Amino acid sequence: GQQVMQIPQYQHVQEGEDFTTYCNSSTTLSNIQWYKQRPGGHPVFLIQLVKSGEVKKQKRLTFQFGEAKKNSSLHITATQTTDVGTYFCAGPGSNDYKLSFGAGTTVTVRA
Amino acid sequence: GAVVSQHPSWVICKSGTSVKIECRSLDFQATTMFWYRQFPKQSLMLMATSNEGSKATYEQGVEKDKFLINHASLTLSTLTVTSAHPEDSSFYICSARDVTGGLSEKLFFGSGTQLSVL
Repeated sequence: GQQVMQIPQYQHVQEGEDFTTYCNSSTTLSNIQWYKQRPGGHPVFLIQLVKSGEVKKQKRLTFQFGEAKKNSSLHITATQTTDVGTYFCAGPGSNDYKLSFGAGTTVTVRA
Repeated sequence: GAVVSQHPSWVICKSGTSVKIECRSLDFQATTMFWYRQFPKQSLMLMATSNEGSKATYEQGVEKDKFLINHASLTLSTLTVTSAHPEDSSFYICSARDVTGGLSEKLFFGSGTQLSVL
């Protein structure tokens, strides 16, 4: 079945620095979604990418969908303590209504 | 955005008892809801797809007699962990899609239920 791989699993970042988390699929995706889960919380939808090569920005977050629609990245600039949490990418499975989640990237920030 | 309410937030029970978790879509109708399980520091693992008015679809390796799902209305799905054992202790999260106004595949999650079985 379709699998979504995500790296790195952990990212410890100095406040103010940038970092990127990557997501790769074994199959072409119709779309890819990103979610953020704060410690002790539940996943919250961030964004959905649909088009090949699509780039979307949300303030300091930049999301990119690869040309082949098999990979995606999330880049955060000038990391802040509010960015702490786990970021998951998710892609539809063989049946589009089911999402397969990546392992997540857990971000911690040192002031 | 759409709101999904999950109850209870946490539950502690004795081994052998059953626990029911409710998931409600508050401002939209959800013909399909999803139940996930999450272990500490791990990703979300889809357990089953709950379909309103029909049987749930379980993922491979998930015991349907252990995790009973009922989706009796367009706004409520329940997950019952039957004869719970310590290994069932986990964080259970439900989610639903709001397709009102057009196709949307993004999920709205409930706040989750932390189950601890003693």
